[in-house]
Order: sequence, then structure tokens, then C-alpha cells
Amino acid sequence: NAGVTQTPKFQVLKTGQSMTLQCAQDMNHNSMYWYRQDPGMGLRLIYYSASEGTTDKGEVPNGYNVSRLNKREFSLRLESAAPSQTSVYFCASTLSTASGYNEQFFGPGTRLTVL
Amino acid sequence: AQSVSQHNHHVILSEAASLELGCNYSYGGTVNLFWYVQYPGQHLQLLLKYFSGDPLVKGIKGFEAEFIKSKFSFNLRKPSVQWSDTAEYFCAVSYKLSFGAGTTVTVRA
Repeated sequence: NAGVTQTPKFQVLKTGQSMTLQCAQDMNHNSMYWYRQDPGMGLRLIYYSASEGTTDKGEVPNGYNVSRLNKREFSLRLESAAPSQTSVYFCASTLSTASGYNEQFFGPGTRLTVL
Repeated sequence: AQSVSQHNHHVILSEAASLELGCNYSYGGTVNLFWYVQYPGQHLQLLLKYFSGDPLVKGIKGFEAEFIKSKFSFNLRKPSVQWSDTAEYFCAVSYKLSFGAGTTVTVRA
């Protein structure tokens, strides 16, 4: 089991460039998430997908789009990168049930710098 | 405003000292509560979780946390820390999938 994998690990972009962060999980989880981690601010939820075919905005969705390609994969796209999007991005997944959210399993992160 | 507050930004301890990290949340309904740890250069891992039942939960590596519903708190404790406990610790609440800002714990040998 690879768990949650993310690519790339590092990326440097110029302002205005676009890119897609990839995430995949092999744990048959139904829910997937994208967070950004900034110093002193913890993890903030960008978008999540409660199940295949659905996506919802989190706390900080502006400037991002997502695609839940299938049950395994959940990608995050920056259409026009800005320096404010310099951050570490984490993908996570969990098996959500009717009783609530279970523990999340996190990927290794993508460190993105926008110049 | 964040719905999860962690009281300490940075805690510095000596080995064998006791550790307590505070966490308060602001949602009044039923929540699931979590503590995650992020060791330097690694991704977040679950330390422990509370869903229901005994409010004192035990996690991995000797950590425990106590849920006090009346205080909306879920504080993390460890009686005797080791150098390897140096990490960042995050409290999380299932309501809006909120994380606290994190507490950096540095344990000096």
C-alpha cells in the first residue's frame, strides 16, 4: 500500500503560470481533500470531495480548481499562479461514513513557490 | 476566525518533562476530535482521536488526550517527553474539517 501519493514534491512557478498538482490514494477511500499549510496558520481546507463525482469549496478556494477524476485521484489546479499561493500543499483521504469524518491520511506534500 | 484554537505556538522542553498542549474549539454540536503530529520533513500522522465514549483517549507513543465537553477542549498530554517528540502538533475538529494553527514542540536532550 502506497497510501496517499502526491506529485510533484517541489515546484517553482512564475506569476501567471498554471499547473496541476496530482494526488492518488490506494486505500479505497471515498473522501479526498486538498489543504494548504502556511506558517502560523495550520492547515486550511481548499477543496474537498466527499465522494466520487462531487466537489465542494473549503475555507480558501479562490484561485484553485479541482477535479475528482475517479475514486482514486483528486487533482488541484492553479490556473494563474500568484505569489500568495506559495505554500505547502497536502492531499488527504478518508473513509467517511454516515456517523461522521474519520481520521485522514495525508500525502507527503508539494512545496510550491510562486515568484 | 478559526474554529480551533491551540494555546501555544512554540513549546520548549527538556527530556523527561511533561507536556500538555491546549486545544479549544468553538462548535457546539457533536464533533469528532483529532490530534495529528508532523515530524520534521514528514507528512501529518494521526496521534489519537475521539469520537464518543471514554473522554480520556490514549494514542500512539504514550500520548493521551482528554475531551471536556463543557469546556469545548481536547488537550493533549504526555507524562515524559523524549527528544524524538520534537515535532509540530495539530488539533483538528471534524466540523468544517478545521485544523488549529499548530504547536511546535522542541525537546532538548
